[in-house]
Amino acid sequence: AQSVTQLGSHVSVSEGALVLLRCNYSSSVPPYLFWYVQYPNQGLQLLLKYTSAATLVKGINGFEAEFKKSETSFHLTKPSAHMSDAAEYFCAVSFSGGYQKVTFGIGTKLQVIP
Amino acid sequence: GAGVSQSPSNKVTEKGKDVELRCDPISGHTALYWYRQSLGQGLEFLIYFQGNSAPDKSGLPSDRFSAERTGGSVSTLTIQRTQQEDSAVYLCASSSQGALSGNTIYFGEGSWLTVV
Repeated sequence: AQSVTQLGSHVSVSEGALVLLRCNYSSSVPPYLFWYVQYPNQGLQLLLKYTSAATLVKGINGFEAEFKKSETSFHLTKPSAHMSDAAEYFCAVSFSGGYQKVTFGIGTKLQVIP
Repeated sequence: GAGVSQSPSNKVTEKGKDVELRCDPISGHTALYWYRQSLGQGLEFLIYFQGNSAPDKSGLPSDRFSAERTGGSVSTLTIQRTQQEDSAVYLCASSSQGALSGNTIYFGEGSWLTVV
């Protein structure tokens, strides 16, 4: 069975500081991994995704994530936080075979402190 | 349409009443998903459609929940005899080729359901 674990339901960073949101996955077959962002009162939108082409994936708004098979991780980072990054971030996994059921983590709320 | 459209955006209903939530996916998208988002619970998978068929209904919480899709397009999620624990945001998503993993799924803004 596939699953994702997001460590930290709330993360606070100062404006300009490094953003690090953690995601670990469990999958018996090679996974596809996603990060979605949800701004207040809006739907989810895709930040980036890993589909085995490259382990370091760059997304929108300066975010990137690195797939590390040995650590079963797909942490999301951004070198310098902006106030506009305050949102909820969801890690998700799917895998090849059958249909694309996407399993989401519980989400991490990012607070950016001025 | 340009994106996934859901209606109503907000619904307040009395306990015991039935509700219908509608999803209009992106034109041409064959795969359609329903998720439920509750406070502190993340996104809970409910059901997946490929065309008009639902190969996976495993996430529907009880037999009070049902969903259908017609014409390979619009989907309706119905909750009968609503309970307070049904209060949540119901999110619909679609993708162009649901059978191929790795494809992006696109979400609507959700239907906020409050059962009082």
